[in-house]
Amino acid sequence: SQTIHQWPATLVQPVGSPLSLECTVEGTSNPNLYWYRQAAGRGLQLLFYSVGIGQISSEVPQNLSASRPQDRQFILSSKKLLLSDSGFYLCAWSVVVALQETQYFGPGTRLLVL
Amino acid sequence: GQNIDQPTEMTATEGAIVQINCTYQTSGFNGLFWYQQHAGEAPTFLSYNVLDGLEEKGRFSSFLSRSKGYSYLLLKELQMKDSASYLCAVNLYNQGGKLIFGQGTELSVKP
Repeated sequence: SQTIHQWPATLVQPVGSPLSLECTVEGTSNPNLYWYRQAAGRGLQLLFYSVGIGQISSEVPQNLSASRPQDRQFILSSKKLLLSDSGFYLCAWSVVVALQETQYFGPGTRLLVL
Repeated sequence: GQNIDQPTEMTATEGAIVQINCTYQTSGFNGLFWYQQHAGEAPTFLSYNVLDGLEEKGRFSSFLSRSKGYSYLLLKELQMKDSASYLCAVNLYNQGGKLIFGQGTELSVKP
């Protein structure tokens, strides 16, 4: 069966520090991968998605970046965090089941920038 | 632009039935997801509708009308554990499977 991992689960970082969040998927190959952010009391906002190794699409301009160095690895990074980067970061992957696409989320990383 | 609307909050009684509506105006609609999200946790998949009509999964059912840009999630025999946020999300056609989410409906189930 397929599983998705994210780490760390919780992170507290000072403003201006770098960031690296990792997401890995098991049990599938060539998945579509996504990074979402959910601010407190808000809906999910798509940040990046990737349809293959080295292929990244950015949805919103910001100080974050994403990379996909391996088929089942998706990394979210920042060189200098802002206070507004605080939130719940969710990695997701999609799979086609019975001709229908389904998207599943990882457990998430809760980031607090102080 | 893309616009997805759902009520912010709803309250219902244990054992009752509740319907959570979602309307959307998007370009390139491919299908509509419903997710459940408990406080502090990641969303979990409930349903995905591509064709018009009602799909039932146990106590949960989801309906879609593509011509009206409308969907609802129906929860029967409500339980206290159903208190959560319910997220409506549209899958955009030919855009790598990316989803556009509504703000979510916070459902409170009272005894």
